[in-house]
Amino acid sequence: GESVGLHLPTLSVQEGDNSIINCAYSNSASDYFIWYKQESGKGPQFIIDIRSNMDKRQGQRVTVLLNKTVKHLSLQIAATQPGDSAVYFCAENSHMDTGRRALTFGSGTRLQVQP
Amino acid sequence: DSGVTQTPKHLITATGQRVTLRCSPRSGDLSVYWYQQSLDQGLQFLIQYYNGEERAKGNILERFSAQQFPDLHSELNLSSLELGDSALYFCASSAVGLGNTIYFGEGSWLTVV
Repeated sequence: GESVGLHLPTLSVQEGDNSIINCAYSNSASDYFIWYKQESGKGPQFIIDIRSNMDKRQGQRVTVLLNKTVKHLSLQIAATQPGDSAVYFCAENSHMDTGRRALTFGSGTRLQVQP
Repeated sequence: DSGVTQTPKHLITATGQRVTLRCSPRSGDLSVYWYQQSLDQGLQFLIQYYNGEERAKGNILERFSAQQFPDLHSELNLSSLELGDSALYFCASSAVGLGNTIYFGEGSWLTVV
């Protein structure tokens, strides 16, 4: 079943192109960030993470860039494939009212890969 | 397969009722997290437990409660259910706490009618 909001921003790319998904985070004190991929009817799947002492981290076909100055995170997917079609969430650890940290999620971006 | 197991996968119940969602974390993980995902709210953090004790609390309603047992499995109890409680409820686990990769289960889809 549908697992995310109806009004997600959508990025549509051609198969084989590179995709860039952006995320603005809110808390300048956040020091750990994660990108998740969520396919319809499934749980969020870990893609890649980055700590605030880094600007860039690379995985297999994915790269995460962190710009702490403007509180911006991006996920780059190389040679996008139809199987990459999903909703992508960025998440940051941020303080709750209790002072404890918890992972809070952005609203998500839907990636549609056109064959 | 993330290694996080949630039951039941689907549940339909009436308003005013009470349900319990169950979660088994990945082997060796001490932290368990509960999230709610609804169509208009995205993924909302509810609560975290670490080795049996409450660690962090998000926007969890007073009608909801959770606990983590000595064997590290966790239950989320939802009572006096309302139509607006219909959502996907995810459990996630990590080895210790934040800073360690957090893995999600497949979710429990709750429909309140």
